[in-house]
Amino acid sequence: ELKVEQNPLFLSMQEGKNYTIYCNYSTTSDRLYWYRQDPGKSLESLFVLLSNGAVKQEGRLMASLDTKARLSTLHITAAVHDLSATYFCAGDTGTASKLTFGTGTRLQVTL
Amino acid sequence: NAGVMQNPRHLVRRRGQEARLRCSPMKGHSHVYWYRQLPEEGLKFMVYLQKENIIDESGMPKERFSAEFPKEGPSILRIQQVVRGDSAAYFCASSPLPGNYEQYFGPGTRLTVT
Repeated sequence: ELKVEQNPLFLSMQEGKNYTIYCNYSTTSDRLYWYRQDPGKSLESLFVLLSNGAVKQEGRLMASLDTKARLSTLHITAAVHDLSATYFCAGDTGTASKLTFGTGTRLQVTL
Repeated sequence: NAGVMQNPRHLVRRRGQEARLRCSPMKGHSHVYWYRQLPEEGLKFMVYLQKENIIDESGMPKERFSAEFPKEGPSILRIQQVVRGDSAAYFCASSPLPGNYEQYFGPGTRLTVT
């Protein structure tokens, strides 16, 4: 059974700083997803990573996948307040299978 | 193309009542997933359905919970005799499979049991 762990659970960072959120998973995962959730809102898809070495970037966020280490990272560059949210990673094991989510990282960017 | 729709967005029930949550998938999507999010936690899978079939219900509590996705109409998650521990946000996601595996999430239904 796939298990997904994220760290840190909570991250407070100043605007302009860089930081990385880590996502470890226990068994082979076909795909690795990153989502953003604002308080009281639904999930917004950020990235889908399909293969070893995959790297995707959108604005100040960059996600990567190392399938050998069973590790994905979400790197935040020069954080801004608008990035404050909870970020989840999730994996799946099969074309039509459920998503297994990590516990989430609550990011707070302070001025 | 409208997104995944869920209603109601907020639902308040007293202990012992029934809760019915509805999910209309995106147009052309015939695969529906239900997830539950307890306060301050991640999402947990409950059930995966295709039209008229339950494919995977490994995350569903054994009692009081049921789900369906009829040939016509929305998918329904039904919780009988609700208890305070059922208070959570319930999210539905749909997928157009085969070929496109990505799940698209609805806005969620926030259930409060008083």
